[in-house]
Amino acid sequence: QKEVEQNSGPLSVPEGAIASLNCTYSDRVSQSFFWYRQYSGKSPELIMSIYSNGDKEDGRFTAQLNKASQYVSLLIRDSQPSDSATYLCAVNSGTGGFKTIFGAGTRLFVKA
Amino acid sequence: DVKVTQSSRYLVKRTGEKVFLECVQDMDHENMFWYRQDPGLGLRLIYFSYDVKMKEKGDIPEGYSVSREKKERFSLILESASTNQTSMYLCASSQDSGGYEQYFGPGTRLTVT
Repeated sequence: QKEVEQNSGPLSVPEGAIASLNCTYSDRVSQSFFWYRQYSGKSPELIMSIYSNGDKEDGRFTAQLNKASQYVSLLIRDSQPSDSATYLCAVNSGTGGFKTIFGAGTRLFVKA
Repeated sequence: DVKVTQSSRYLVKRTGEKVFLECVQDMDHENMFWYRQDPGLGLRLIYFSYDVKMKEKGDIPEGYSVSREKKERFSLILESASTNQTSMYLCASSQDSGGYEQYFGPGTRLTVT
């Protein structure tokens, strides 16, 4: 059973729309949750961290966390073609300290 | 800004060669990690280190070893390269506190022929 699950996509949205990316995790004691963006051929880049239930906004990005449902999401408002990338959800293992579990990623395409 | 650098962006080696991949971070992070990333398989942890000279096996350590002689440097060694080790290799580092966010280097695309 995968510990962090994401829909692999591709998710295709028109320019200017809201892109919604979802992730579920299995470890109930997880404490830290991250979203990374990875462009083709490049390394993952941290774009959002969230630690408590609710929403966290940073520019056009909003991360949402629901620990009871073991669910974390990323909303991208006013999507741009430059947002086209693979988005990795990552969860810090509550019992493993610094070890982080990564999802396989969702590919997002933003059509101009 | 955290900076993680890797010794090569692209590397081509022959089967059976010993390969060294080096990673350096400049943020005094305690933890360092080596991953490989293959299409359809996501990021897989090879080895990690939480202190100088300390190392722990990740999920796929077979065929690899690591060395951490200094806090800022973490090396991945392929003892005898094989074609199934052709992959993108990613190094990352994190603090030993807070949320443990990992920061990645640019990656090394290794081809073993």
